[in-house]
Amino acid sequence: EADIYQTPRYLVIGTGKKITLECSQTMGHDKMYWYQQDPGMELHLIHYSYGVNSTEKGDLSSESTVSRIRTEHFPLTLESARPSHTSQYLCASSSPSTVPGTDTQYFGPGTRLTVL
Amino acid sequence: AQSVAQPEDQVNVAEGNPLTVKCTYSVSGNPYLFWYVQYPNRGLQFLLKYITGDNLVKGSYGFEAEFNKSQTSFHLKKPSALVSDSALYFCAVSLPGGYQKVTFGTGTKLQVIP
Repeated sequence: EADIYQTPRYLVIGTGKKITLECSQTMGHDKMYWYQQDPGMELHLIHYSYGVNSTEKGDLSSESTVSRIRTEHFPLTLESARPSHTSQYLCASSSPSTVPGTDTQYFGPGTRLTVL
Repeated sequence: AQSVAQPEDQVNVAEGNPLTVKCTYSVSGNPYLFWYVQYPNRGLQFLLKYITGDNLVKGSYGFEAEFNKSQTSFHLKKPSALVSDSALYFCAVSLPGGYQKVTFGTGTKLQVIP
């Protein structure tokens, strides 16, 4: 089992609230990722980071923001939650493989967000 | 552009029978291919990956996958299914070099029937 943690696991919140989803890993991985996954559906990359002070937007446009101040921590923030943000959010991390592009990603258990 | 297709939303197989979960890919170049499994209320777990060399890749929990370049496929297989194999399976593809852009398929739900 990989050492990557997400809190909270479940969150139900009202429209307009600011929320932060936490992700931490104890493996010392440089790369971290946030994916959005609707139930039983494909993953969409929304943010990623190469390391401290590095953040990039992914393939799926998202109103969320991320920060990477410490290697082990990669929180995702929604300034004003809306019902369209209802989804599962998965955090992952990886360390560079000897062959670039072949990293194994380790996933956290996910946060299921419901915005009312 | 790179993409991966999992043509079956769900696969049902009897316990003890062999199972196959299909995956085809589309890339310009030589792909790296992955299989991940997701159990209910859990994150994805890595099963196996193809980088180069032997077309048959062996992974965790008795799973294996065969890379077929001519058919652009990377089907996941297991000789004898267990009820505990019931889960959501994702195929993924990336290309060599630089930032590893991994594209995941839509997932296939495997149901192993006792």
